[in-house]
Amino acid sequence: SYDLTQPLSVSLALGQTARITCGGNNIGSKNVHWYQQKPGQAPVLVIYKNTNRPSGIPERFSGSNSGNTATLIISEAQAGDEADYCCQVWDTTTAPVFGGGTKLTVL
Amino acid sequence: EVHLVESGGGLVQPGGSLRLSCEASGFTFSDYSINWIRQAPGKGLEWLSYISNSGGVIFYADSVKGRFTISRDNAKNSLYLQMNTLRVEDTAVYYCARDGDGHCFMYWGQGTLVSVSS
Repeated sequence: SYDLTQPLSVSLALGQTARITCGGNNIGSKNVHWYQQKPGQAPVLVIYKNTNRPSGIPERFSGSNSGNTATLIISEAQAGDEADYCCQVWDTTTAPVFGGGTKLTVL
Repeated sequence: EVHLVESGGGLVQPGGSLRLSCEASGFTFSDYSINWIRQAPGKGLEWLSYISNSGGVIFYADSVKGRFTISRDNAKNSLYLQMNTLRVEDTAVYYCARDGDGHCFMYWGQGTLVSVSS
């Protein structure tokens, strides 16, 4: 199986830039998707195929993917960005897999 | 606007069965593949099953293979998950999610809670 590794938590001050990583073997060759999940709510797709934002997602959300690390970047973090963030990949060699999730705290 | 609404969750004893439904609206249901994904209390997301738009291609996670069956009725815009031989560790919120570009999960339902306990 294919494993995705995320930090358990990331904390930053209001207005700073958050970088949440997702590690996997040669993940740069795969499409990585990112989800935001707030307590008691369903996940929401915020980035798909490494760098693409669905409609309605602010431009402050962006992504990158290279080598063994994909990164979700949240610029000018707001209190409303506090949530769990999870990466996901699905390629032809493995079933869809999710990272363990990262809790983002905006101080 | 895309809507996915799950139903059918509840409390069931170990070894029991349950059938979940997911009713879709706001898009042409027969054009899209759909997935079931679950989240145990306090845990991360776990993909369970995929069904192609026609129902001709189906995949399962090893954790549910042989116990769960995915199906769909395109005439009723509905997706189903028949869950048999349920275990305590199947306790979770179950989501249906529509496939998107690059096999992302573009749209999610609100989830339905399944509790397996004696």
